[in-house]
Amino acid sequence: AQSVTQLGSHVSVSEGALVLLRCNYSSSVPPYLFWYVQYPNQGLQLLLKYTTGATLVKGINGFEAEFKKSETSFHLTKPSAHMSDAAEYFCAVSEDFGNEKLTFGTGTRLTIIP
Amino acid sequence: DAGITQSPRYKITETGRQVTLMCHQTWSHSYMFWYRQDLGHGLRLIYYSAAADITDKGEVPDGYVVSRSKTENFPLTLESATRSQTSVYFCASRRGSGETQYFGPGTRLLVL
Repeated sequence: AQSVTQLGSHVSVSEGALVLLRCNYSSSVPPYLFWYVQYPNQGLQLLLKYTTGATLVKGINGFEAEFKKSETSFHLTKPSAHMSDAAEYFCAVSEDFGNEKLTFGTGTRLTIIP
Repeated sequence: DAGITQSPRYKITETGRQVTLMCHQTWSHSYMFWYRQDLGHGLRLIYYSAAADITDKGEVPDGYVVSRSKTENFPLTLESATRSQTSVYFCASRRGSGETQYFGPGTRLLVL
């Protein structure tokens, strides 16, 4: 069965500092991996996804994530935080070939300190 | 406007009442999903559908019923609402495996 663990339910960084949000997954087959962002009172919006190919994936708003199979990780990073990055971030996994369900982590709330 | 919409956006009901949350998408996506979002639990899958007339249970299906007679609509019914079903409900749709999953704006449900 697939599962996702997001380390740190709350992360605070200073404006201009590096953002690092951690995600580890469990999957019995090669996974599809996703990061979604949720702004207050809104639905989720896709930031980036990994399906196959290049393990470093670039997304919207300057975010990127790297798929590391040996570490079963898909951490999200952004070199320089902006105030507008304050939101909740969800990592999700789905298994290829027949399993159409996305399993989400419990989320990480990112706060940006001015 | 094309996209995925949910109605109502806010709903207050009483314990024991039947409530139906609507979801409509204009992309003709095959897959549709219902999630609930609660503090500390993230998003949990209630039910999903791979196509019209095909539905399956997710992680937390008890107390909910779905139907999908048309590709574009996927209503979620709480047959007899309970306080534990107070939550924010999100509908989502996706074309296929590995494709981007799009979410609706959510319905905030309060059961008194």
